Amino acid sequence: DVKVTQSSRYLVKRTGEKVFLECVQDMDHENMFWYRQDPGLGLRLIYFSYDVKMKEKGDIPEGYSVSREKKERFSLILESASTNQTSMYLCASSTRLGQGALDTEAFFGQGTRLTVV
Amino acid sequence: AQSVTQLGSHVSVSEGALVLLRCNYSSSVPPYLFWYVQYPNQGLQLLLKYTSAATLVKGINGFEAEFKKSETSFHLTKPSAHMSDAAEYFCASDNYGQNFVFGPGTRLSVLP
Repeated sequence: DVKVTQSSRYLVKRTGEKVFLECVQDMDHENMFWYRQDPGLGLRLIYFSYDVKMKEKGDIPEGYSVSREKKERFSLILESASTNQTSMYLCASSTRLGQGALDTEAFFGQGTRLTVV
Repeated sequence: AQSVTQLGSHVSVSEGALVLLRCNYSSSVPPYLFWYVQYPNQGLQLLLKYTSAATLVKGINGFEAEFKKSETSFHLTKPSAHMSDAAEYFCASDNYGQNFVFGPGTRLSVLP
């Protein structure tokens, strides 16, 4: 059974704290993604990575950074948490089209609901 | 970049009625298209996907979707709604093989 695991389901942090959200996948996928989900806005891409130590900015990277030191792990970092970063954060992984994959789909973790107070 | 639109942020149907959730994509080149379902406080689960094979795609839980290039649409249907179908549904597109673009979501309510 394929799996994407996010380290926490719920987090409460204080304004100004440095926050780490961890994500691990066991499918040997090349691509990994961090999305933020807010009501009425759907899922918005924060960062993605298509290989170890590689990262690309998504649509809303401001206030976030990422780390991918190993293929299976992709971390999202909030350098200095603010209340407007209160949200549901979803990690996903996928195979990369053009790398022998006939098709692709995103596999999601359970999500981390972060509250910044 | 690709964009995906979903008409109707909230759809209500009676149990046993037809479910129709609308999705349109922007690309001139047919992308891969997906429908995901999200139950409360859960991640997203794939319902079905279009990958340029058959235009009518069958998925889990009795859902299906039809790819119509002329309309740039990929609407999701189910002949008879069940109470357990109440959830949020997201249409998504691959973004030129780099990542995935999601629509804003449609919340489906099923009335007894």
